[in-house]
Amino acid sequence: SYVLTQPPSVSVAPGTTARITCGGNNIGSKNVHWYQQRPGQAPVLVIYYDSDRPSGIPERFSGSNSGNTATLTISRVEAGDEADYYCQVWDSSSDHAGVFGGGTKLTVL
Amino acid sequence: QITLKESGPTLVKPTQTLTLTCTFSGFSLSTNGVGVGWIRQPPGKALEWLALIYWDDDKRYSPSLKSRLTITKDTSKNQVVLIMTNMDPVDTATYYCAHGFLFSSSWSLDYWGQGTLVTVSS
Repeated sequence: SYVLTQPPSVSVAPGTTARITCGGNNIGSKNVHWYQQRPGQAPVLVIYYDSDRPSGIPERFSGSNSGNTATLTISRVEAGDEADYYCQVWDSSSDHAGVFGGGTKLTVL
Repeated sequence: QITLKESGPTLVKPTQTLTLTCTFSGFSLSTNGVGVGWIRQPPGKALEWLALIYWDDDKRYSPSLKSRLTITKDTSKNQVVLIMTNMDPVDTATYYCAHGFLFSSSWSLDYWGQGTLVTVSS
């Protein structure tokens, strides 16, 4: 089955840019979705189809996807962005199943 | 306004069968391109995708759990049910249901329930 690899943690200072990667074999050929999960809360979709933002998500959140890596970029990071972030794809191979990455803890220093 | 809420037992014994219900509002599960998925998260661990049911009653399961899972829908009641057999302590987790939408052969989950914690213990 398809595997998505994320770094366990990323740390940045407020006001800087955070980049969270999601690696997978030829992931650029798939649509990648990103979720933010604050402690004790349900996940929230922040980017879908590689780079689209749902309504209500700040423009500071953006996404890209090419080759073997998809990236979630958060500009002008705020304390409230501290959370776990998960990438997700739909594996349309023989499994036809959803796949989540292992998650990345974003710490705002 | 789309909302989803999970319900079911908070405690099950090993080897028992778990039945969870997702009751939703604000959309119809008979609408083309719409689905409802189940996802779980063991304490302190990552999200794990379990199953998804399509508007046309097609169903997809996690390959590793497929033999233990059944997902069904009752469109008239706006409910989706997930059944998981042979529960084990490692299945202790918060179980979420979520509204899915399909575009370009890919599902994303744009609305989530609050989740329900299920503990497996004797």
